[in-house]
Amino acid sequence: DAKTTQPTSMDCAEGRAANLPCNHSTISGNEYVYWYRQIHSQGPQYIIHGLKNNETNEMASLIITEDRKSSTLILPHATLRDTAVYYCFCFGANNLFFGTGTRLTVIP
Amino acid sequence: DVKVTQSSRYLVKRTGEKVFLECVQDMDHENMFWYRQDPGLGLRLIYFSYDVKMKEKGDIPEGYSVSREKKERFSLILESASTNQTSMYLCASGGGLPTDTQYFGPGTRLTVL
Repeated sequence: DAKTTQPTSMDCAEGRAANLPCNHSTISGNEYVYWYRQIHSQGPQYIIHGLKNNETNEMASLIITEDRKSSTLILPHATLRDTAVYYCFCFGANNLFFGTGTRLTVIP
Repeated sequence: DVKVTQSSRYLVKRTGEKVFLECVQDMDHENMFWYRQDPGLGLRLIYFSYDVKMKEKGDIPEGYSVSREKKERFSLILESASTNQTSMYLCASGGGLPTDTQYFGPGTRLTVL
């Protein structure tokens, strides 16, 4: 089962792009990369997921390296409401491990 | 919108008590999950269920049991609560594939004295 490692914390200026990295060097071929975020005192909220190709939705973009050993979540124009803990995890048939996440602080 | 509700936001129990945490989802999801969240440890899976009366152990099942008698309801049971089970408990539900998106409830903060 792939485990993930993320930086403990990051800051980003309001209006700038926030790039959150995640390493998942032991990911297996059938495991997806998922990103969730958790705003204080709320349950985690789904952001985006992908298998091999880069993905984009209304919230974010997900860039997955060709070897799939790492990925980057991009919030193109961070706002103060994006301040949260961001969890990256690899999700396959038997792996549901979230990890400790990155605390992103968006600074005015 | 998907709605996952948990029976309590805050709960205080005494050591040795039996504790029931209930979770209800309204999206007819096959999968339901129970996690606990502790500072510095992130989210850890306790149990999950992929169908009525079916359950699978997660990463930390010791000290917990679960019950899924109806598709929409998944209960977490602490047979004899201990202080090290003081934590935030999060329930989630998702579609029939392991890789389907999970939708989370607001959480129950349990304190065991």
